[in-house]
Amino acid sequence: SQQGEEDPQALSIQEGENATMNCSYKTSINNLQWYRQNSGRGLVHLILIRSNEREKHSGRLRVTLDTSKKSSSLLITASRAADTASYFCASYSGAGSYQLTFGKGTKLSVIP
Amino acid sequence: ETGVTQTPRHLVMGMTNKKSLKCEQHLGHNAMYWYKQSAKKPLELMFVYNFKEQTENNSVPSRFSPECPNSSHLFLHLHTLQPEDSALYLCASSSDRQGEGGYTFGSGTRLTVV
Repeated sequence: SQQGEEDPQALSIQEGENATMNCSYKTSINNLQWYRQNSGRGLVHLILIRSNEREKHSGRLRVTLDTSKKSSSLLITASRAADTASYFCASYSGAGSYQLTFGKGTKLSVIP
Repeated sequence: ETGVTQTPRHLVMGMTNKKSLKCEQHLGHNAMYWYKQSAKKPLELMFVYNFKEQTENNSVPSRFSPECPNSSHLFLHLHTLQPEDSALYLCASSSDRQGEGGYTFGSGTRLTVV
């Protein structure tokens, strides 16, 4: 079953603007992870936030987690054309199940 | 290169063919995974191996047969596939089953079944 669900499905912004992507999930999680995928390539791990954390930063990335709403957001600040890619959230589907389950992703286009 | 190498990058096969996908990692990871990525669908977990033992099989048809001879290598044997099996097949690894440090993915094999 699909655990993470990203919103919006597609996002187009100008270079220099900030991009915000949201993710909702259904069951309790140990952690939530964000990945990036360039067209036709493998996924690259960006950042992991644990269930007891509320916010985490890595370079131009900022991730928040609201376990009461079962939602997370990924903010990319000062976007660049090279940030054009699909972004996926992923989480463990439930206690005792060690499966990382992905959503359909948000396709981000950054226009130079 | 991410440290997870998949071969071949592209594969075209007929429905009666037998082929194998290969995945190799030298990151010292103990868990390895096969995912299927089809257009407009979420990534689908197919198989999980932990210390060479299969721990998950997500109701994958028997025409897909995984093999994990050691912690560094993972194969996906394919036979009598259907056109709907055409997809990007991704291999991933993690230090342990919990994947606390994140998964490392290969670049994938683009499979086309004709």
